[in-house]
Amino acid sequence: GNSVTQMEGPVTLSEEAFLTINCTYTATGYPSLFWYVQYPGEGLQLLLKATKADDKGSNKGFEATYRKETTSFHLEKGSVQVSDSAVYFCALSDHGSARQLTFGSGTQLTVLP
Amino acid sequence: EAGVAQSPRYKIIEKRQSVAFWCNPISGHATLYWYQQILGQGPKLLIQFQNNGVVDDSQLPKDRFSAERLKGVDSTLKIQPAKLEDSAVYLCASREKTGGGYEQYFGPGTRLTVT
Repeated sequence: GNSVTQMEGPVTLSEEAFLTINCTYTATGYPSLFWYVQYPGEGLQLLLKATKADDKGSNKGFEATYRKETTSFHLEKGSVQVSDSAVYFCALSDHGSARQLTFGSGTQLTVLP
Repeated sequence: EAGVAQSPRYKIIEKRQSVAFWCNPISGHATLYWYQQILGQGPKLLIQFQNNGVVDDSQLPKDRFSAERLKGVDSTLKIQPAKLEDSAVYLCASREKTGGGYEQYFGPGTRLTVT
């Protein structure tokens, strides 16, 4: 079955530091890949997505590239802000009719001023 | 555009009691999902509806959980009787097809505490 593995957290960084959160997946075929963000007390919000190999998703300074050869979708940001503090979830969706999401366990990011 | 609405936001009950959660998806979204998110874990799918029909309920503990989506719009998820391990955030999501991305939109969730 499908699965997503994220680097264990929590991650604590100083403002303006470089961020990488690793994500690898196991799936049959070529799924769509997503990063969702969950701010305290809120629901999940889609941060970025990629639907095929070598696609780069980007939003709000965050980027992730769909790497088929390494089955990875690592999240990066060049300079984090305090407002980026949240839980980040990597997820995949297969291309079957149900389009169900499989999530990783999440990575808590705290950015200190 | 209004987002996915859920209520209540918080609920505290004793074990063996029953509880119900409500979800109103984004207007026009035919597909609706209920997820269970236990503290420290990613969301896990419980049930998926397409309009008012069930697409997948393979991970729903049917001895105590039930869900319905009458008229293909609002949905309710019920737990009866609740157990301590049901303490979690229950998320509702609805889906819009955006190109090939199949994005799901999530509500704020209902945090359930079973004591």
